[in-house]
Amino acid sequence: ETGVTQTPRHLVMGMTNKKSLKCEQHLGHNAMYWYKQSAKKPLELMFVYSLEERVENNSVPSRFSPECPNSSHLFLHLHTLQPEDSALYLCASSQVLDNEQFFGPGTRLTVL
Amino acid sequence: GQNIDQPTEMTATEGAIVQINCTYQTSGFNGLFWYQQHAGEAPTFLSYNVLDGLEEKGRFSSFLSRSKGYSYLLLKELQMKDSASYLCAVRDGDYKLSFGAGTTVTVRA
Repeated sequence: ETGVTQTPRHLVMGMTNKKSLKCEQHLGHNAMYWYKQSAKKPLELMFVYSLEERVENNSVPSRFSPECPNSSHLFLHLHTLQPEDSALYLCASSQVLDNEQFFGPGTRLTVL
Repeated sequence: GQNIDQPTEMTATEGAIVQINCTYQTSGFNGLFWYQQHAGEAPTFLSYNVLDGLEEKGRFSSFLSRSKGYSYLLLKELQMKDSASYLCAVRDGDYKLSFGAGTTVTVRA
């Protein structure tokens, strides 16, 4: 595997379900990001981790819970989501915080 | 807040040139990025400008005017594979990127 990978690529869940999105980067980077991309809207930054420490929590509802166990892996734990949370969730990484970001292919999430 | 504007859609013919404009009003400025995103795929980095002027990279060029809060991405010799969404993003501080909504470019034969 190369670059930034995300699993699953597609996820359909009910509002009472609990699921997790996984991101893995194979680039030796130290910073990782979660973004939300809704149709026809700009990418919204959700969370930022640098050296496994969270440095940004961009007013995201608590039903989204990030976890960064090491510099290569980033998770987004989901519980009691709403239909308006349906979107493409993109993970990105960068060498350090102010470098170019490399994106994963995203997880297309549908909340029923 | 941050305000980044770019056209929603553009259409051009194969072999032609298309210019995608981006205007921004942000609380700070520490560089402007252009990304390409094909449907269902990851955004991929195209260009970065932090100083005024033109940066050329093959068929793609990007221009920045900081005093005008303006950038454009120029795509030359358009190919069918250039049909994609093009995202303008401004780094307004140490690392935070603020994105425009993207411009969908359709290349027709």
